[in-house]
Amino acid sequence: DVKVTQSSRYLVKRTGEKVFLECVQDMDHENMFWYRQDPGLGLRLIYFSYDVKMKEKGDIPEGYSVSREKKERFSLILESASTNQTSMYLCASSLLAGGPITGELFFGEGSRLTVL
Amino acid sequence: DQQVKQNSPSLSVQEGRISILNCDYTNSMFDYFLWYKKYPAEGPTFLISISSIKDKNEDGRFTVFLNKSAKHLSLHIVPSQPGDSAVYFCAATLGGNTPLVFGKGTRLSVIA
Repeated sequence: DVKVTQSSRYLVKRTGEKVFLECVQDMDHENMFWYRQDPGLGLRLIYFSYDVKMKEKGDIPEGYSVSREKKERFSLILESASTNQTSMYLCASSLLAGGPITGELFFGEGSRLTVL
Repeated sequence: DQQVKQNSPSLSVQEGRISILNCDYTNSMFDYFLWYKKYPAEGPTFLISISSIKDKNEDGRFTVFLNKSAKHLSLHIVPSQPGDSAVYFCAATLGGNTPLVFGKGTRLSVIA
């Protein structure tokens, strides 16, 4: 079974702090993604990566950066956390970003971040 | 501009009845559609998918119907069970190496 592990389930940070969210997958997937989920807004793509050292902006990259130094690890960085970044953050991986066989994304359990 | 729309934020259904969750899309180039289910405090899990060359795909209690001319798909759950209570996300892809585009989700409550 594919396992996507997010390092922290719950975090509380202060405005202006630097925040690291770590994600590791164990299935040798090429593609990794960071989403955030907010009530009424669904799942919004922040950044994704097709390969080591590569990154692509998603729909809402402002205020975030990412790092992919190793294939299995994809980190989301909030350089200076703000209250509007309070959210559930979901990491996912896949063999191929949008198909063709199933298009299936495997998600981690999520990291709930509260910025005070 | 939202390319994948789930216009019903919530749905309540009695146990044993049919649940129908709807999804509309605007991009006719989408060629694969997926449904994900999400429980609170957990990540979404893949439920069922359908290729644009098909109009129906069935997996146990779950059936997805695709109407390409109307750019509409629906997920039918029958019979509904209390354990089906979750948020359901519709997603679509252009294929190749493009990310999934998700709808905003529909919260299904199955009442015993």
